[in-house]
Amino acid sequence: EAGVVQSPRYKIIEKKQPVAFWCNPISGHNTLYWYLQNLGQGPELLIRYENEEAVDDSQLPKDRFSAERLKGVDSTLKIQPAELGDSAVYLCASSLAAGAAGELFFGEGSRLTVL
Amino acid sequence: GENVEQHPSTLSVQEGDSAVIKCTYSDSASNYFPWYKQELGKGPQLIIDIRSNVGEKKDQRIAVTLNKTAKHFSLHITETQPEDSAVYFCAASGVQGAQKLVFGQGTRLTINP
Repeated sequence: EAGVVQSPRYKIIEKKQPVAFWCNPISGHNTLYWYLQNLGQGPELLIRYENEEAVDDSQLPKDRFSAERLKGVDSTLKIQPAELGDSAVYLCASSLAAGAAGELFFGEGSRLTVL
Repeated sequence: GENVEQHPSTLSVQEGDSAVIKCTYSDSASNYFPWYKQELGKGPQLIIDIRSNVGEKKDQRIAVTLNKTAKHFSLHITETQPEDSAVYFCAASGVQGAQKLVFGQGTRLTINP
């Protein structure tokens, strides 16, 4: 069974440019997460989806970040415009059930470098 | 909200020796404590977890202990092997389970042959 798939793996852009990351979760996983991982730090939650509904986006900087999960399957995270401080790894994860403590399955991440 | 502190930030041990990583958390309502392993260029992967109704859990060479009174939990790896070299993250979550996971800062474990 395929794991969580993310693309692109690496992206280098100039500041003020837009960028988008794509995530396809494990089939059947209704819960999808986007995490931010700065160098040498643990992942920090940006947004969580239950199916197509964003149920926790309190940590998402809404002035420049947006996300969507239109059909409740794959998801896109966008940054516009990007700033130098956005350089990080953006991790997508999925899990089987909502409301229960259980395993998160992470993708390999998308590493963003903003010049 | 929850705050998780993890120590040490780096740990180097000889192959075959044991490694211990410790975490403290702030929210007494937290009841789920997983540990994730992250290899270079990969996403974190769950290696073991523990819930608040037990004090210890073992899986082969890996064990986790939980002290709810002191609000700390630890990862123990015995008979370390080179493939154990990675970054390890502890995490804690409260009544909403994995959806509200807060991660520690990570420990870079190096196993010296």
